[in-house]
Amino acid sequence: SAVISQKPSRDICQRGTSLTIQCQVDSQVTMMFWYRQQPGQSLTLIATANQGSEATYESGFVIDKFPISRPNLTFSTLTVSNMSPEDSSIYLCSVAGDRTDTQYFGPGTRLTVL
Amino acid sequence: QQPVQSPQAVILREGEDAVINCSSSKALYSVHWYRQKHGEAPVFLMILLKGGEQKGHEKISASFNEKKQQSSLYLTASQLSYSGTYFCGTFYVWADSWGKLQFGAGTQVVVTP
Repeated sequence: SAVISQKPSRDICQRGTSLTIQCQVDSQVTMMFWYRQQPGQSLTLIATANQGSEATYESGFVIDKFPISRPNLTFSTLTVSNMSPEDSSIYLCSVAGDRTDTQYFGPGTRLTVL
Repeated sequence: QQPVQSPQAVILREGEDAVINCSSSKALYSVHWYRQKHGEAPVFLMILLKGGEQKGHEKISASFNEKKQQSSLYLTASQLSYSGTYFCGTFYVWADSWGKLQFGAGTQVVVTP
């Protein structure tokens, strides 16, 4: 399976600021996804990062709040904008060979918003 | 629609067996099982595909009943390393469009010495 890294691994941010999370894969992958995991909860898909086009967002998530870039087949970023304490979560990227294939998760970014 | 997992939690002694169930109200294309330890990312265990194809983890097995839209994960002769939260993810396909992987609420497994 691919080796996935995320930066930063954790951060503490002030309300109203923005944080950009990076996801790097050691090989080209077709699909990249971004998830949110709130404390003690399951995994919720934020969006599918599409290479060369706008991300596909799930219900309840909007581009203004969570802009995503995917400039190539090995890298993606997720920005959490205008943060509030409710955004405190673990943010995970995952990759897959195709839409229905096994997803492998990065180590996650633990975000705390004060 | 989120799949339903049961039980919510289970406590085992080393060497005991457990079953975790995952059920869906929709016809499934595949079921994916993950284990997450505290503070770590979910780790892939197994995928079960419609039509009976199974891939898996060497010491954990699973079944997929397409008619009942259910999957079960079997922890046999549990080891301390089996502790963690187990998530099932279900994948639906309908019409000509692809769905998304949706995760259950998780089952917390604690294995004690």
